[in-house]
Amino acid sequence: KNEVEQSPQNLTAQEGEFITINCSYSVGISALHWLQQHPGGGIVSLFMLSSGKKKHGRLIATINIQEKHSSLHITASHPRDSAVYICAVRSGERGGADGLTFGKGTHLIIQP
Amino acid sequence: DSGVTQTPKHLITATGQRVTLRCSPRSGDLSVYWYQQSLDQGLQFLIQYYNGEERAKGNILERFSAQQFPDLHSELNLSSLELGDSALYFCASSSGSYYNEQFFGPGTRLTVL
Repeated sequence: KNEVEQSPQNLTAQEGEFITINCSYSVGISALHWLQQHPGGGIVSLFMLSSGKKKHGRLIATINIQEKHSSLHITASHPRDSAVYICAVRSGERGGADGLTFGKGTHLIIQP
Repeated sequence: DSGVTQTPKHLITATGQRVTLRCSPRSGDLSVYWYQQSLDQGLQFLIQYYNGEERAKGNILERFSAQQFPDLHSELNLSSLELGDSALYFCASSSGSYYNEQFFGPGTRLTVL
């Protein structure tokens, strides 16, 4: 079974700061997802990665397959970025026959 | 809006009862996943259906069952409910291709009293 570890568990920062959230996993994967969950409970998919780096607005996600590690960065952070960020992985099996295994999430608070 | 719909939004019931949660995937998506989010266990994968057939099972209890219908909507049936079944239940859908992004519904919040 794949274990997914996220750090930090909680992060409070000031508006404008550069934010990094880390995710490590234990076995081979076919893809890694970064998800955002707001206090209302809804989950939004931010990125799906299998290699390299992706950027969307102020969000950047990177993955190092050899090191089994991924990072989510937020540049110029804003109070509206306050949410729980969850790393999730799909196993290395083909055919999309697995659900996701989730980290426990990073609770981010951006103060104005 | 992800395009995935779930009903009901909230459900309050008593121990021992049975409930059915419904999910409609995004148009064209063939795969439906069910997840449970509880305070103590976090998010867990329950079960996946692809084009009407069960594809993968995760940590789904024997008291729980699911199915996907010909129109691709899915239902998750929870029976003999216990207090510990109180959780958010999410449905997600994807196209079913190998590298596929999953789109999450808004969730159903189940409270068992």
